[in-house]
Amino acid sequence: DADVTQTPRNRITKTGKRIMLECSQTKGHDRMYWYRQDPGLGLRLIYYSFDVKDINKGEISDGYSVSRQAQAKFSLSLESAIPNQTALYFCATSDSAAVQETQYFGPGTRLLVL
Amino acid sequence: GQNIDQPTEMTATEGAIVQINCTYQTSGFNGLFWYQQHAGEAPTFLSYNVLDGLEEKGRFSSFLSRSKGYSYLLLKELQMKDSASYLCAVSDSNYQLIWGAGTKLIIKP
Repeated sequence: DADVTQTPRNRITKTGKRIMLECSQTKGHDRMYWYRQDPGLGLRLIYYSFDVKDINKGEISDGYSVSRQAQAKFSLSLESAIPNQTALYFCATSDSAAVQETQYFGPGTRLLVL
Repeated sequence: GQNIDQPTEMTATEGAIVQINCTYQTSGFNGLFWYQQHAGEAPTFLSYNVLDGLEEKGRFSSFLSRSKGYSYLLLKELQMKDSASYLCAVSDSNYQLIWGAGTKLIIKP
């Protein structure tokens, strides 16, 4: 079984719609992240959470919101989707207690906004 | 600002050796990571360097020079399955990962 899962894997929506992307992990990690990836660009951080009560904006948080419902769950919402939010979205986790704080990624959600 | 530079694309031949370079300028340094990403899939961890020198792991090795802000990933005995993008990322003073845009490696028979 995958340690980091994302739902849905693919989503097509229309401009103005609200959508939620969900991430769950069984790794027991305290830190979770949401990234987007666009062709030719590196991974860009949207939001990150160091524990359930800690939420921080990343490089490109405008137009997005998040919720850390539990240590294992971190959701990303697009309140009113727009076409330039079409991208591949990744959730990642890491363990702050690890000497080498490697991030582990979910399989990604491919989002198309029409 | 913070910046990670790596070549956009490289081509190599099956069975050969290829070196992918990464240079960085970041606010602080807490280690450098290399990830492999096949098209449409998630990045997967390959290697981590925090001290200067070479780390070897099977066919893959990674080198770091902190004074030069430079790293490379060396892939030996290339196989067709090594065709992928290779992402360089630096952990900055806040332990945030700063990502390069990735190097697309094309392996030819």
